[in-house]
Amino acid sequence: GENVEQHPSTLSVQEGDSAVIKCTYSDSASNYFPWYKQELGKGPQLIIDIRSNVGEKKDQRIAVTLNKTAKHFSLHITETQPEDSAVYFCAASIRYGNQFYFGTGTSLTVIP
Amino acid sequence: GAVVSQHPSRVICKSGTSVKIECRSLDFQATTMFWYRQFPKQSLMLMATSNEGSKATYEQGVEKDKFLINHASLTLSTLTVTSAHPEDSSFYICSAPGAYNEQFFGPGTRLTVL
Repeated sequence: GENVEQHPSTLSVQEGDSAVIKCTYSDSASNYFPWYKQELGKGPQLIIDIRSNVGEKKDQRIAVTLNKTAKHFSLHITETQPEDSAVYFCAASIRYGNQFYFGTGTSLTVIP
Repeated sequence: GAVVSQHPSRVICKSGTSVKIECRSLDFQATTMFWYRQFPKQSLMLMATSNEGSKATYEQGVEKDKFLINHASLTLSTLTVTSAHPEDSSFYICSAPGAYNEQFFGPGTRLTVL
């Protein structure tokens, strides 16, 4: 089955700096790669996603890149703010309605 | 995006009792829903896939007699933790797929078994 690895497990950045979180996946059939933000005591919230027919997607301060050949994708957050502090999970999925395979999460702390 | 609700958000029960958690898709229909369990500072662990009108599919190691899942309608799935014990204390989260394979998660239910 699919195996998703995520690095780093913890990340601290100064407010205003950029943060990058990386994930790798093993199954070349995976074609959908979402990123979730989870705040303490809450459910994960979808912040951005990318499909295998696209190499990069951007939404304001958040961007995701995908390298299908290398089987890795990354989340980039620019101009970080304290409210960006949370746990971020990447995931991979093969087809509609199929289960998601989650990374192990990255705890991001933005220091004011 | 679509909204998924869960009820209750928090429940405390005595050991040996059963607890039911509801997961609802509020503005869309979901023939499939997923139930996850999350321990502190860990990732989401898929417990089972809930299928409307048929039996749930459980992941390896998850006791189906302990975690009863019923997907009674296109907008409601329930997870019942039977004869709960302290080791069942956890954060339970459901999700439902949207039209384009994105997953929408509920806010989670914190279960504490005394």
